[in-house]
Amino acid sequence: NAGVTQTPKFQVLKTGQSMTLQCAQDMNHEYMSWYRQDPGMGLRLIHYSVGAGITDQGEVPNGYNVSRSTTEDFPLRLLSAAPSQTSVYFCASTSGGIESTDTQYFGPGTRLTVL
Amino acid sequence: GEDVEQSLFLSVREGDSSVINCTYTDSSSTYLYWYKQEPGAGLQLLTYIFSNMDMKQDQRLTVLLNKKDKHLSLRIADTQTGDSAIYFCAEHTGGGNKLTFGTGTQLKVEL
Repeated sequence: NAGVTQTPKFQVLKTGQSMTLQCAQDMNHEYMSWYRQDPGMGLRLIHYSVGAGITDQGEVPNGYNVSRSTTEDFPLRLLSAAPSQTSVYFCASTSGGIESTDTQYFGPGTRLTVL
Repeated sequence: GEDVEQSLFLSVREGDSSVINCTYTDSSSTYLYWYKQEPGAGLQLLTYIFSNMDMKQDQRLTVLLNKKDKHLSLRIADTQTGDSAIYFCAEHTGGGNKLTFGTGTQLKVEL
């Protein structure tokens, strides 16, 4: 198993450009999430999905869209990039439910810089 | 919303014990977690504790939970240079396996 994969690893955008961060997992996990990591702020949840066709907003959803057409893929779209979206983005997946302690598996991250 | 707080930095000598502290605010959290992030990598689950437990030991790791004070700590015995990383506590705060993370504590182990 490759686990959770993310592409690209690094990206530089200009303000106003759009792009999609890719995330895929091959563990047949139902739950997938996107987090952003900023210095001194830990990880903040952007969007999450509890299964194919179902998505919901996290703590900081503005400026981002997601879709979940398959169990394996959970892309994150930046509609019009802003410097405030400069961050490291992590995708995570787990098979667990509400009371589960199943491990969340994290991807290696995408480092995004918006100029 | 819930805030999970940690001190930002901790420096210890190799062989000493490290104690990383975390304060959370959601008293309904059922599980609390410790994650480790090495440079340039994602997060790895180290250990977790269920809210009805006071302590959990796993090899060199000891987790203590004080529900009354909403305080969680991670003790690493015989700290090694390979333990240098950022450590995040996290609490389970809702459906879909949503986690709220602390700010992270950067542990530096000196020789």
